[in-house]
Amino acid sequence: NAGVTQTPKFRVLKTGQSMTLLCAQDMNHEYMYWYRQDPGMGLRLIHYSVGEGTTAKGEVPDGYNVSRLKKQNFLLGLESAAPSQTSVYFCASSYLRQGLYEQFFGPGTRLTVL
Amino acid sequence: QQQVKQSPQSLIVQKGGISIINCAYENTAFDYFPWYQQFPGKGPALLIAIRPDVSEKKEGRFTISFNKSAKQFSLHIMDSQPGDSATYFCAASDGGDDKIIFGKGTRLHILP
Repeated sequence: NAGVTQTPKFRVLKTGQSMTLLCAQDMNHEYMYWYRQDPGMGLRLIHYSVGEGTTAKGEVPDGYNVSRLKKQNFLLGLESAAPSQTSVYFCASSYLRQGLYEQFFGPGTRLTVL
Repeated sequence: QQQVKQSPQSLIVQKGGISIINCAYENTAFDYFPWYQQFPGKGPALLIAIRPDVSEKKEGRFTISFNKSAKQFSLHIMDSQPGDSATYFCAASDGGDDKIIFGKGTRLHILP
């Protein structure tokens, strides 16, 4: 099993450009999440999905959109990138084990917006 | 409003020493408290977790201590090793919720 994979690993954008980050998981998990990690800020939830075709806003959703057309994929889009979106982005998936949700993280995408 | 407060931000410990990271929470509905470990360039990974029906959980050199009345919990790493150098995140969730609230992280460095 590959677990949770993310593409690309690195990306540099200019202000105003758009891009899509792809997350894929092969563990048949229902729940998927997108986080951003900034120095001193921990992990902040952007959007999440509790199943195919569903999405919901997290703590910092502005400037991002997501789609979950297939259970194994969760896409994060930036329509018009801004320097404030320079960050490391992590995708995670989770499943319910003994009444609790354990999250599995991907390796991250480092995004720089100039 | 920060629901999970973590301290210290960074910590340096001698090899063989005890590393202690503390967290405090506000929401009394939280009933699941995991700790995640993150090495440079990698995603976080679940290290150990506790539910509030016990005051302590130990897995190898890692121990979570939980104080429900004080709404605090801590991670103790015994006999700390250079390989333990990483960023550690405490977290909390309402067990019925599919979201986890993370602390801001502690960067731990173990001196060889």
